[in-house]
Amino acid sequence: EDQVTQSPEALRLQEGESSSLNCSYTVSGLRGLFWYRQDPGKGPEFLFTLYSAGEEKEKERLKATLTKKESFLHITAPKPEDSATYLCAVQEYTGGFKTIFGAGTRLFVKA
Amino acid sequence: SQTIHQWPATLVQPVGSPLSLECTVEGTSNPNLYWYRQAAGRGLQLLFYSVGIGQISSEVPQNLSASRPQDRQFILSSKKLLLSDSGFYLCAWSVAGQAYEQYFGPGTRLTVT
Repeated sequence: EDQVTQSPEALRLQEGESSSLNCSYTVSGLRGLFWYRQDPGKGPEFLFTLYSAGEEKEKERLKATLTKKESFLHITAPKPEDSATYLCAVQEYTGGFKTIFGAGTRLFVKA
Repeated sequence: SQTIHQWPATLVQPVGSPLSLECTVEGTSNPNLYWYRQAAGRGLQLLFYSVGIGQISSEVPQNLSASRPQDRQFILSSKKLLLSDSGFYLCAWSVAGQAYEQYFGPGTRLTVT
């Protein structure tokens, strides 16, 4: 069964304490992997798209990487405003494009 | 630039009442459009997607339906709401064709009482 698993479910960090979020996936034909940030009560905000193993993308304190089985979202020296839920989504092609979302990792950064 | 709108922002409806949620996109043509539902603490569940006017694909059998009467308008409907229809409903769009990211609207919080 195709699935996307994110870990940990929740992560509590002190301001400045770097860490990584994990997204592991099992799909038959990966076409793209996406990272989103979601604040409470709002729609997800697009962060990155990764297409192939070895690819990396950066934006401010965030860096996303991709291997053949998983992706990591590295957060360097986080600030309280980085607190949010981070969603991973995988798009596969099975006669049509299908996007599968993970349940997300809730990140709390304390000042 | 592209903008996506959803309304209403919040809605409280009794069981058995009808539903109509609307989504419109500005600044792009012929987008793919999507309706998702997000339960508390869970991932996004794809309900419907559309690749063009009048073309609707359903991912999950339920008492909801969707329509796309215009290129940039997507409507989610129900004739009779159930308690289990409560949730956070999100509309999204993406560029048609390849594996492109989706851009989400602000969402509608639906509570069925």
